[in-house]
Amino acid sequence: DAKTTQPPSMDCAEGRAANLPCNHSTISGNEYVYWYRQIHSQGPQYIIHGLKNNETNEMASLIITEDRKSSTLILPHATLRDTAVYYCIVSVRDGNQFYFGTGTSLTVIP
Amino acid sequence: EAQVTQNPRYLITVTGKKLTVTCSQNMNHEYMSWYRQDPGLGLRQIYYSMNVEVTDKGDVPEGYKVSRKEKRNFPLILESPSPNQTSLYFCASSLFARVTGANVLTFGAGSRLTVL
Repeated sequence: DAKTTQPPSMDCAEGRAANLPCNHSTISGNEYVYWYRQIHSQGPQYIIHGLKNNETNEMASLIITEDRKSSTLILPHATLRDTAVYYCIVSVRDGNQFYFGTGTSLTVIP
Repeated sequence: EAQVTQNPRYLITVTGKKLTVTCSQNMNHEYMSWYRQDPGLGLRQIYYSMNVEVTDKGDVPEGYKVSRKEKRNFPLILESPSPNQTSLYFCASSLFARVTGANVLTFGAGSRLTVL
């Protein structure tokens, strides 16, 4: 059973906000939602994580619904360098195990 | 520079020839983990380690062994590699925040393994 569900691909115009959705309807109360991205075949890069509240850092914002069944990663001003595969993952087994899924391939268009 | 270092980065080997992929981190992280990435399947966790001498299976442990004798190293051992272990492998480490439960991973650059 999939822990997270993401659209396989999305496009975004350069300079616009990119909103990447994720469904995690089976998430438990103490499980975090993490977002990573992977450019080509490089090692995944951490973006942001959250539990219940919305979060913001220098890279992105994370909006988590009140029932915690879904979240949205927002890249406020997408650049060509943001073209990557974005993974929404949840941790289980007290945070020791992760399910990455196949992610969303975001293409930023000039 | 804080990093996770994997070696080798690329390896072509033959079926049955034992090999080890090394992983080392210089951040004094307690938690370390191995993943494999295959087309269409995303990243799947092989093994993880919460601390020295403490390891546990992930989703796809068959055909792999690990050891954690030192905090900084977490080698992945393929005793008898087979072609279905051809994959891109990633090692990751983290300073597991036990108070909050957050576990933010730092990944290595990856090791591309081909088994003929």
